[in-house]
Parts: sequence; structure tokens; C-alpha cells
Amino acid sequence: QSALTQPASVSGSPGQSITISCTGTSSDVGGYNYVSWYQQHPGKAPKLMIYEVSNRPSGVSNRFSGSKSGNTASLTISGLQAEDEADYYCSSYTSSSAPYVFGTGTKVTVL
Amino acid sequence: EVQLVESGGGLVQPGRSLRLSCAASGFTFDDYAMHWVRQAPGKGLEWVSGISWNSGSIGYADSVKGRFTISRDNAKNSLYLQMNSLRAEDTALYYCAKGRGYSYGYGDGFDYWGQGTLVTVSS
Repeated sequence: QSALTQPASVSGSPGQSITISCTGTSSDVGGYNYVSWYQQHPGKAPKLMIYEVSNRPSGVSNRFSGSKSGNTASLTISGLQAEDEADYYCSSYTSSSAPYVFGTGTKVTVL
Repeated sequence: EVQLVESGGGLVQPGRSLRLSCAASGFTFDDYAMHWVRQAPGKGLEWVSGISWNSGSIGYADSVKGRFTISRDNAKNSLYLQMNSLRAEDTALYYCAKGRGYSYGYGDGFDYWGQGTLVTVSS
């Protein structure tokens, strides 16, 4: 099972909006509404930001939103803040032998 | 407050074994699936294994199938990963993660993570 494809890096200025893409296939992202997004600060554990494509867990800022179109899911961060600088990973259910596949990861830089 | 605390990592020679543990608290452990996810140094996340709430359903990544065994003890609120025939490519930080539902294979994600335990496989 190949990793989902994410851009290596995305940057933006404080207050701007950025979008991170996550591209898979019809066997994972395109076939199921089980896409999650995780934020990971350096040296820290991942944190769930979005589940089931567009749902936010309690306590996650509404500046984070998720969507999906075809085989590509997206995470949008609006009103970018310095604390949003981190690595972001998408994950999807997959019909392959293992039920989960992660994305390659995207480093978000706040300029 | 949900807490997941991993232990058991360390330096081990190729071909040897290691057993990881994860102590859970702050939630009803036997209501949820549990998982192990690893991250090689400087690399991305890789799902390793998952186990359903009652141990009735278990799954592994192809990279560890036949070498690793996941288990849980609901009476002790604990998750385990027995790792045999370790290889250099198993070197990683191993995270214990709580599933959002009771089955490991529904794809519904991981809502809490421990801080990880480092496994280094080297001679």
C-alpha cells in the first residue's frame, strides 16, 4: 500500500488561509469517508484535527476544516497563526490488507 | 483526562525480540480499539497494528506480519506489542493510539496518542 501524496511544504503569512491536499485512489480516499488529519509539532505526538473528512473533535479550533473531492482530500487552515506551524498528516481507510494508510506529510511554515 | 504511556523500548540487536507496553487511563479501555503506529527518525507515520475492543479482531501491516503480535489485557487497561525477528528498518518511535470506535478496522481514526517509546535495532 503506497502512502497518500501530500505536498512536502506549504507556507503562508499570519492571517492568511492555506490548503493542504492529500491524494489517494478509489481504494482509499475516493472510496470512503474515513479521512483524518493529524497535526504534529516537533518532538510531540500527533494530534487529531479532523475525522471522517470534515468533522472536528471537541477542542479543535474552527479555523481547521476538511473536505474531499474525488480521490483528493483537503485540510484548510484559515486565519493562520504562528502556533499552526507544524507537520500535518492525512490518513485514510483503505481496502488493502491493512486498514489505514497515512500521507507523506506536509510541513506548514508561518512566514 | 486520557493518558497513554508507552514503555519497553530500547536498543536491540537485529534478530532479537522486544515487548512494548502501553498503560491507558482516563477512559473506558475495553470500549475501544487500540493501535500501534510508528515513525522512523525524520520520516512519516506508519500504521503497524490494531486490535478491537475484545481482541476478537486483529490486523497488521504487511511489513510486520508474522513477526509482531499485538495483544491487550482489559483488566489491566494495557496494550502490548511483541516484536520478534527485529530488523534495522523497524527502528522507530512507536506510538500507542486510541481508536475512535470499538473495531480496529473501521478506519475511523485515532483520537489520542501517547508520547511514544523509541526502538533502535542495531548491532
